[in-house]
Amino acid sequence: DAGITQSPRHKVTETGTPVTLRCHQTENHRYMYWYRQDPGHGLRLIHYSYGVKDTDKGEVSDGYSVSRSKTEDFLLTLESATSSQTSVYFCAIRTSLEETQYFGPGTRLLVL
Amino acid sequence: DAKTTQPNSMESNEEEPVHLPCNHSTISGTDYIHWYRQLPSQGPEYVIHGLTSNVNNRMASLAIAEDRKSSTLILHRATLRDAAVYYCILSPSGAGSYQLTFGKGTKLSVIP
Repeated sequence: DAGITQSPRHKVTETGTPVTLRCHQTENHRYMYWYRQDPGHGLRLIHYSYGVKDTDKGEVSDGYSVSRSKTEDFLLTLESATSSQTSVYFCAIRTSLEETQYFGPGTRLLVL
Repeated sequence: DAKTTQPNSMESNEEEPVHLPCNHSTISGTDYIHWYRQLPSQGPEYVIHGLTSNVNNRMASLAIAEDRKSSTLILHRATLRDAAVYYCILSPSGAGSYQLTFGKGTKLSVIP
């Protein structure tokens, strides 16, 4: 357990509304990640952060933005949610030990 | 990115050993071999990783071929709780590396 929590754990929203998911860690790891998981696609990287205010895009970043104003929190924002963003979202941190990542419990998002 | 090949599914009887294979013929000299697993409705969970030598921990053992083109995750005594999707992932070490690329993995079923 790497002290990772995600909130909310479940959310239902409507198309066009903004949504923010929060990932919180308690161990001051530098690297944090947001993935989404969909049937048939496995986990895909959305964005990642390598420090406060330092972020970069992953494989499926369109329609998402992120922010990291302090080490412990990494926020994922859907500016205008679409049905294609219905998914399970996982946050992860990377330890310095040889690239190992630890994942949060996930957020299930349903966009109607 | 170097890719891995795993069987789609495997079955094991409870309390018997399980050997989960992974081929990674294009592995580079600095790639770590990671194994993660994902239980139903949970986030991925780190299992074990290694570079060249065989590795053991409380969850499993990792056997790495001498040429590093394949590896085997060994669960010494399968329990019902080990039923999960197992992912074999290569992760380049060094500055700038950041992403775990998840394939489809091997779905392990454990028969009581």
